[in-house]
Amino acid sequence: EPEVTQTPSHQVTQMGQEVILRCVPISNHLYFYWYRQILGQKVEFLVSFYNNEISEKSEIFDDQFSVERPDGSNFTLKIRSTKLEDSAMYFCAIAPAAGNEQFFGPGTRLTVL
Amino acid sequence: EDQVTQSPEALRLQEGESSSLNCSYTVSGLRGLFWYRQDPGKGPEFLFTLYSAGEEKEKERLKATLTKKESFLHITAPKPEDSATYLCAVLYRDDKIIFGKGTRLHILP
Repeated sequence: EPEVTQTPSHQVTQMGQEVILRCVPISNHLYFYWYRQILGQKVEFLVSFYNNEISEKSEIFDDQFSVERPDGSNFTLKIRSTKLEDSAMYFCAIAPAAGNEQFFGPGTRLTVL
Repeated sequence: EDQVTQSPEALRLQEGESSSLNCSYTVSGLRGLFWYRQDPGKGPEFLFTLYSAGEEKEKERLKATLTKKESFLHITAPKPEDSATYLCAVLYRDDKIIFGKGTRLHILP
C-alpha cells in the first residue's frame, strides 16, 4: 500500500494568518487530493490535482485555498487567511489513476484561534 | 441532490456477532464505491473498491457487496480490533467524490 506523510501533524494559527500544509507521497502516484474533516463530521472533498493542474474542486475550495506541487514531490495546500471555521483535520490522498482507490495520509490537525 | 447515507450511525456488537452496515447513494454517473476504515485521529484506511452492481469483494472478516442503489459491508464473527468507524465514499461523474458520515462500530469482548 502506498505511503503518504503529512507535515505538520498539528498546526495552531491565529485567525487571518496564512498556513501551508504539506503532503509527501512515498510513491509515483499521479493523482493527488485534499480533504478536510471537521471534528465529528464527515470527510469532505476539497480538490483533486493531476498533471500540475486542478482537475476538480468543491464549493468549499474558494479563493482562500490554493494547491501546488512546488518541487515535483511535495504537494501543498495553502490557506491564505484562515478563519475559525477552517479548524479541522486536513487529509492528503493519492491514487494511481482517476477512479481508483485513494490512499490517505495521517492528516494535519489545524486549529485556528 | 447527490448524497450518500450510511446506516446505522452507530452499532454495538458482541464479539462473534455478525452484522451488516449499509451505504445507500443517489448520484448520477456512478464510477466507483469505496469502503474505508477510520480509527480515531487517523486517516481513512482503504478496504475495498466496487465498480458495478453484483460485484463482491472479501478481506478477512469483511465482505462488501454492491447493488444499483446501495452497498453493504458484512462483518462476520467480528473481533474487538474491528472496532472503528467505517466510511463509504462514492466517486461519480468526472472526479467528484462524496463520503457518507460513517458507521461507528464497537465490538465488545
